[in-house]
Amino acid sequence: GQQVMQIPQYQHVQEGEDFTTYCNSSTTLSNIQWYKQRPGGHPVFLIQLVKSGEVKKQKRLTFQFGEAKKNSSLHITATQTTDVGTYFCAGGGFKTIFGAGTRLFVKA
Amino acid sequence: EADIYQTPRYLVIGTGKKITLECSQTMGHDKMYWYQQDPGMELHLIHYSYGVNSTEKGDLSSESTVSRIRTEHFPLTLESARPSHTSQYLCASSFDRDYGYTFGSGTRLTVV
Repeated sequence: GQQVMQIPQYQHVQEGEDFTTYCNSSTTLSNIQWYKQRPGGHPVFLIQLVKSGEVKKQKRLTFQFGEAKKNSSLHITATQTTDVGTYFCAGGGFKTIFGAGTRLFVKA
Repeated sequence: EADIYQTPRYLVIGTGKKITLECSQTMGHDKMYWYQQDPGMELHLIHYSYGVNSTEKGDLSSESTVSRIRTEHFPLTLESARPSHTSQYLCASSFDRDYGYTFGSGTRLTVV
């Protein structure tokens, strides 16, 4: 069945360093969604990418959707302590499948 | 401003008790979902609904049941709570299958 793999599982960075999480699907996706969950909170929808090769930016966050629509990445430039949390990708297809998430720790 | 509401926020209950976790949304979304999540871990889909009178089991085997009598309401019931049910339960809804999900704040359940 459809699987969505997300790496790395954990990432520790110094404040000001960049961070990237990657999402890979075993099948072609109709779209990719990204969510952020703060510690103790619930997932919050960040963005959805639909087109092959699409790139979108939200301030320091850059989201990419691969040409084959099987992979995606989220890149954060110059991390801040407010970026702490777990970032989930979710692949849309017959059913939306969530990745296991990447936990980001930022040291001030 | 929350458009999807879950109650209670926290619940501590004894083994063997029957409980219902409430979830309501005001967005008119047809699609609703229940996820189970241990702290800092992945989301496990336990039930979903694509509309009134439509319910399906998710990927994670669960001893819970759901109902969807009204579009806005999607309660989850545990007939007999066990310590293994201790977890956070998140309700979500979406406009359509390929649209972003809006999550509720969750119910943190502890079964003692």
